[in-house]
Amino acid sequence: DAGVIQSPRHEVTEMGQEVTLRCKPISGHNSLFWYRQTMMRGLELLIYFNNNVPIDDSGMPEDRFSAKMPNASFSTLKIQPSEPRDSAVYFCASSDSGTRSGQPQHFGDGTRLSIL
Amino acid sequence: GQSLEQPSEVTAVEGAIVQINCTYQTSGFYGLSWYQQHDGGAPTFLSYNALDGLEETGRFSSFLSRSDSYGYLLLQELQMKDSASYFCAAIPSNTGKLIFGQGTTLQVKP
Repeated sequence: DAGVIQSPRHEVTEMGQEVTLRCKPISGHNSLFWYRQTMMRGLELLIYFNNNVPIDDSGMPEDRFSAKMPNASFSTLKIQPSEPRDSAVYFCASSDSGTRSGQPQHFGDGTRLSIL
Repeated sequence: GQSLEQPSEVTAVEGAIVQINCTYQTSGFYGLSWYQQHDGGAPTFLSYNALDGLEETGRFSSFLSRSDSYGYLLLQELQMKDSASYFCAAIPSNTGKLIFGQGTTLQVKP
């Protein structure tokens, strides 16, 4: 079975540019999560969706960040305009239940984003 | 606030047993999970404790004591491939959002 698929795997761009990260969750999973990982702040939840609906976006750092889930098989995380401090690894994860159970979250391989 | 505390690094030798502790400060939560992350890789789920006690999965076991606000991951018969970072994670009942500890880097030596 295919796992969570993220693209691109690596992205290097100049500050001010728009960055779009993409995620395809595991088929049948109804919850999708976007995380950011840095050495300083560790693994942080940015936003999560349940049945394609954003449930909690309180982790989104600024208005420059936005996320959408137009259907059950696709989600995007957009940064516009990007800044050097946005450099991090961005993970997408999915699970087949909401956040309140012990169902594991399955992570994609991540997008390594560098903003110059 | 809500936080999970873990040691930053642990070193052990191949074949040994190592315990990675996780203490938490949160008023209520839906259980404790453990994830493994190899360098450059993605976190992968290891175990989940919904209730107090020990959960065993092969060489790995996880323990939770809510009364002590404490849990641990026990790795037995360590192998070189177990060198990785290990994260405890919990879902506070008042937020419903999974939060992660800062992770423990385990180095297994020959």
